[in-house]
This record gives sequence, structure tokens and C-alpha cells, in this order.
Amino acid sequence: AQSVAQPEDQVNVAEGNPLTVKCTYSVSGNPYLFWYVQYPNRGLQFLLKYITGDNLVKGSYGFEAEFNKSQTSFHLKKPSALVSDSALYFCAVRDGVGNSGGYQKVTFGIGTKLQVIP
Amino acid sequence: DAGITQSPRHKVTETGTPVTLRCHQTENHRYMYWYRQDPGHGLRLIHYSYGVKDTDKGEVSDGYSVSRSKTEDFLLTLESATSSQTSVYFCAISVGQGPYNEQFFGPGTRLTVL
Repeated sequence: AQSVAQPEDQVNVAEGNPLTVKCTYSVSGNPYLFWYVQYPNRGLQFLLKYITGDNLVKGSYGFEAEFNKSQTSFHLKKPSALVSDSALYFCAVRDGVGNSGGYQKVTFGIGTKLQVIP
Repeated sequence: DAGITQSPRHKVTETGTPVTLRCHQTENHRYMYWYRQDPGHGLRLIHYSYGVKDTDKGEVSDGYSVSRSKTEDFLLTLESATSSQTSVYFCAISVGQGPYNEQFFGPGTRLTVL
């Protein structure tokens, strides 16, 4: 069974400082990893994904994420936080094993609230 | 919100009544999904569709049914609403069904069952 853990309910960071939102995963095969952001009263928006290749993935709004296979982690990062980055962030994983063409379930984490303090 | 609309955006209903939520997309994507979002649970898949009249259950499908008679519309029905179905419901689409395809979400419907 696949799973995702976001160990922090909330992350607080000062504006201008680097931010990290943590995510660890468990899958049987190769992982396909995603980050989404949710602003208040909105649906989730796709930020970035890891499929294969370079372990550092760059996405929207200056975000990036680092895939670490040995630590089974996919932490979201940004060099300099903005107040407008304050939102709820979701990590998600899909298992690449057994993909015979049928639906592959996506498992979402419970979300981490990012608060950027002016 | 990727050309996805949901209606209604808010609804309050009473226990035991049927409720239908509508998801409409403008880009004729084949794959559509219904999720519910609850604190402490993240998003959980209710049902999904891989084409007109082709649907299947997700992980929390009890008490819900879906229909897809046209590519652009995916309906979620709560056959007899219960308080445990109070939640925020999101529709999503994906461009393909491969495991590497990200999903695009609608704005959500906040449902309260009294």
C-alpha cells in the first residue's frame, strides 16, 4: 500500500527566509510525486511533479522540490518566502508499479499549512 | 481553475434528502474525479470516470453514486445525505490516466448536512 506523510501541521517562516515543507512517502515501485497548493476557498493547484531524472524539480511560483530516494522524501522548498505563499500545501504520490493501463490511485497527504510572517 | 466549474458552490440540506453535485469541464478531458476534503484526512477519492458511462469506485464510495452521460459533465449524488457527508467536495480532471499526470481541480462545493 502506498502512503504519504506530512509530519508538520503548520510551518511558520519569516518573509524573505527560505522555507521547507516536508513530505515522505512509501510505495512498492517507482514513485510519481506531486505538490499542490490550496488557497482559501479554492481548489488545489498543481505546483510541480517528479517523474524521473533530475532529483531537483522546479515548479510554479519559484517553488522547487528535492527527491531523495534513500530517505523516501520529496520536500518542497523556496529560497525566499513571500506573504502570498501562505496557503495549505499537499504532497501526493502515485505508485508506478503495476501500471497496466488501469487507474493508478493518488494518495494525498493531510496537508501542511504554511504561514509566512511579514 | 482549469475550465472546471462546480455547482452549487454551497449547499445546506437535511439528513435523508438526496443531493446532486455537478462538475462541468470545457476541455473534453476523458478522466474526471470526485474527492472529498476533510480536516485530518487530506483528499479522498469517492468515484472516478474514464469516459462516458464508464465509472468506478474510489476509497470512500459508500453512500455516493455518480453518472457521466456526457464528456463534459460528471454528477455526484448523495442518495440519502447523512451528517458524516458534511464536507468540501472537489471535482478534478487529468489530461491522461498515466501515473505521471497531474490533476486539475475545480473550486469546490461546501456541503452541510444538518
